[in-house]
Parts: sequence; structure tokens; C-alpha cells
Amino acid sequence: AAGVIQSPRHLIKEKRETATLKCYPIPRHDTVYWYQQGPGQDPQFLISFYEKMQSDKGSIPDRFSAQQFSDYHSELNMSSLELGDSALYFCASSGRDTFNEKLFFGSGTQLSVL
Amino acid sequence: SQQGEEDPQALSIQEGENATMNCSYKTSINNLQWYRQNSGRGLVHLILIRSNEREKHSGRLRVTLDTSKKSSSLLITASRAADTASYFCATDAWNSGGSNYKLTFGKGTLLTVNP
Repeated sequence: AAGVIQSPRHLIKEKRETATLKCYPIPRHDTVYWYQQGPGQDPQFLISFYEKMQSDKGSIPDRFSAQQFSDYHSELNMSSLELGDSALYFCASSGRDTFNEKLFFGSGTQLSVL
Repeated sequence: SQQGEEDPQALSIQEGENATMNCSYKTSINNLQWYRQNSGRGLVHLILIRSNEREKHSGRLRVTLDTSKKSSSLLITASRAADTASYFCATDAWNSGGSNYKLTFGKGTLLTVNP
């Protein structure tokens, strides 16, 4: 079965650079979530989209923005990167088949800011 | 602080033993979920228990929920080396309009099952 696909798998950037992370949800899933997980930490909710509209916002810095496109894929744009942005970034999707309650996670993008 | 707090933070057992992990939360929930994460990988949904349920089983997993104590436990029976992973509980929240859903994760328990 198709899963959530994230790209790239690894990304190395320098301070003050920008990064774009991509997420392709499971087909027919209408909701996408972004989470950030620092080393040894729990996943922190950043932002979510439902039917291409932002549905909820968590602890996402103003330097970050995200959107969901017409094909339901989502991109997380990160600017003016800081060392503290180094983390594993997960995308998850959900759909009406599981009442939008069960999240399916991608393998994540490991971002390293040097 | 996080909605879910796992206890213990780390657990090391021998293959064949049972592993019990606990989770406490602070606010009302519709359901509580458990996820598993292998090192550096994505989270995988294990089991969901609704607020009106007290116990649920799935294979070697047993989850209990005590809403009066705002706590849940995950029991893995007859553990295997392949069960080595981090386990997170997650509590849900719908907004008042029922249109936005979000999961908040606790800090996780790192389970090591030694062969």
C-alpha cells in the first residue's frame, strides 16, 4: 500500500540558508500534518492543512511557512535557518477512511544546519 | 509541557518478558493513541483507545485507559528483540467546530529488548 512520501531524506544546510521539505500524502487523504522532532525529543506539532487550507497551527516559527497544493502534496519552507532548526521533520496524513483520527507518518527529513 | 508524559523514560528487558509503559495526560480527550518509532524513522500507529473504553487488545498489545486518573498503559507481552523502539502516547484534540484535529505526543519510552 502507498505510504506517505517525504523528500529529501536528508538535508544539510548552513545558517541563514533556506530549505524546502516536501510531503506527498497517502492517496485520497485530505489532511496533512507537519511535526518537528529534536534529538531525544517528542514530536512537536507545527502546522496542519485540510483540503488545502491551513487548519491548525502549533509552535511553528514565523520563519517557516507551509502550504498544501491542489494535488494535496505539501511543502514546508524554512528560511533564515538556525542551528536549533536541526531536527527530524515528519509529515503525516489522515483521511476519512479512519475518520481522520489515525495519522500515517512518512519516514521524515533529517535536517542538519551547520 | 506536553499533554502526554511517558513513564518510564527508558526500559530494558529480556526477550520473552512483558514490558509496561505508562502515559499521563492533562486535558479531556476523545481518544488516546500509541505509536512506535524505530530509531530515526517515522512513527507507526499501534492502537487507538476511545475515552469510553477501558481496555483494548491487539495481538501482543494491551492498552488500558483510566480517564478518572488521566492515564493509560501499554503492555507488550512476550517481548521480542524486534520490539526495541521508542513508544509514544498521543492525545487528540478536535476544535469546537469539529473541523480541526491534532495529536499531541508525549515524551516517549525507549524500550530495549535484549536477546
